[in-house]
Amino acid sequence: EPEVTQTPSHQVTQMGQEVILRCVPISNHLYFYWYRQILGQKVEFLVSFYNNEISEKSEIFDDQFSVERPDGSNFTLKIRSTKLEDSAMYFCASRGRHGVYEQYFGPGTRLTVT
Amino acid sequence: RKEVEQDPGPFNVPEGATVAFNCTYSNSASQSFFWYRQDCRKEPKLLMSVYSSGNEDGRFTAQLNRASQYISLLIRDSKLSDSATYLCVVNWTGGGNKLTFGTGTQLKVEL
Repeated sequence: EPEVTQTPSHQVTQMGQEVILRCVPISNHLYFYWYRQILGQKVEFLVSFYNNEISEKSEIFDDQFSVERPDGSNFTLKIRSTKLEDSAMYFCASRGRHGVYEQYFGPGTRLTVT
Repeated sequence: RKEVEQDPGPFNVPEGATVAFNCTYSNSASQSFFWYRQDCRKEPKLLMSVYSSGNEDGRFTAQLNRASQYISLLIRDSKLSDSATYLCVVNWTGGGNKLTFGTGTQLKVEL
């Protein structure tokens, strides 16, 4: 069964450093998402991406965040200058096509900012 | 008012019991509804979509009441492996199809 994959599974970084989280969505999917979950809290939407551009972003997704689909398979989330409060699980998700709304999540990257 | 509201639990039930979870949502423009399951420190996994007519998948039954903005999940004959957090999730297609999550209801199935 096709699945979303993410790397790394765990990333430790120092405050102020840049991190790039990587995702490979399900191969024939067209819509891509990033969510995050701070420990003990609910899953929160960050950004949606379709046709090589951002379709929506949340208030959390400020100028420190960016997304890119550099090739036909990878989808990346970059945080330019990490803060302590960026520590969370970051989940990538994808969905198939227009009119199909189920989203499938990758296993997540646990980001720890020290 | 929270966008998606759930009783956090935990619900502790014996194996074989029937358990029901409820959820309310605030955005009347919400168009798609889901139950996801999340194990500790893992990703949300899609359990089932929820349709207006109600739908069943094995031991799991989901219901949607659009007028009351209410969603339910019923688990029959619960198994130890059903222990997890159950997330009520809604999608508003006008919002870039982002998913809005409830905080989840924790279920513990015991021997």
